[in-house]
Amino acid sequence: KQEVTQIPAALSVPEGENLVLNCSFTDSAIYNLQWFRQDPGKGLTSLLLIQSSQREQTSGRLNASLDKSSGRSTLYIAASQPGDSATYLCAVSGNQFYFGTGTSLTVIP
Amino acid sequence: NAGVTQTPKFRVLKTGQSMTLLCAQDMNHEYMYWYRQDPGMGLRLIHYSVGEGTTAKGEVPDGYNVSRLKKQNFLLGLESAAPSQTSVYFCASSYGGREVDTQYFGPGTRLTVL
Repeated sequence: KQEVTQIPAALSVPEGENLVLNCSFTDSAIYNLQWFRQDPGKGLTSLLLIQSSQREQTSGRLNASLDKSSGRSTLYIAASQPGDSATYLCAVSGNQFYFGTGTSLTVIP
Repeated sequence: NAGVTQTPKFRVLKTGQSMTLLCAQDMNHEYMYWYRQDPGMGLRLIHYSVGEGTTAKGEVPDGYNVSRLKKQNFLLGLESAAPSQTSVYFCASSYGGREVDTQYFGPGTRLTVL
């Protein structure tokens, strides 16, 4: 069974700092990996999707990388802002979708 | 364009009661999913559908039933609610399958079973 782990569980940074969120998975037989954002009491919003054949995807200040062979993905957030405060989840798509438990990010003004 | 909507937003049940959660999407998506989110567990797939009239089991299907009679709707039923089913339930949809497509999520239903 696929296991998805996200470290750290919580992170607090001052505004303007660059940061990296980590996601690891145990089974490299995946179709793709997605990063989502979840605000308190809300649903999930897709940020980036990386196909298994790709190494990275970029959207604005966000950059996600994928190393399928080592079972790792990172989400890089540049010049963090208070509005980035949320929980970030990664999910891998194999025979089913498997989600990590998320990293709760707080950006301090 | 409302995206994915869920009804109701909150519900409290007593053990043994039944209820149905409704998910609706207006994006003409083929695929629809039901997840539950529990603290420390992440989201887990309950059931999913790859098209009108089809359903399939996910990771944690026991105690739930689903139906997809119309393409735009995906219903999740609890026949006899148990306290272990206290959770936040999310519906999602996608145009393509898991191989290629991102999922769009509804706002969630918070269910408490006493």
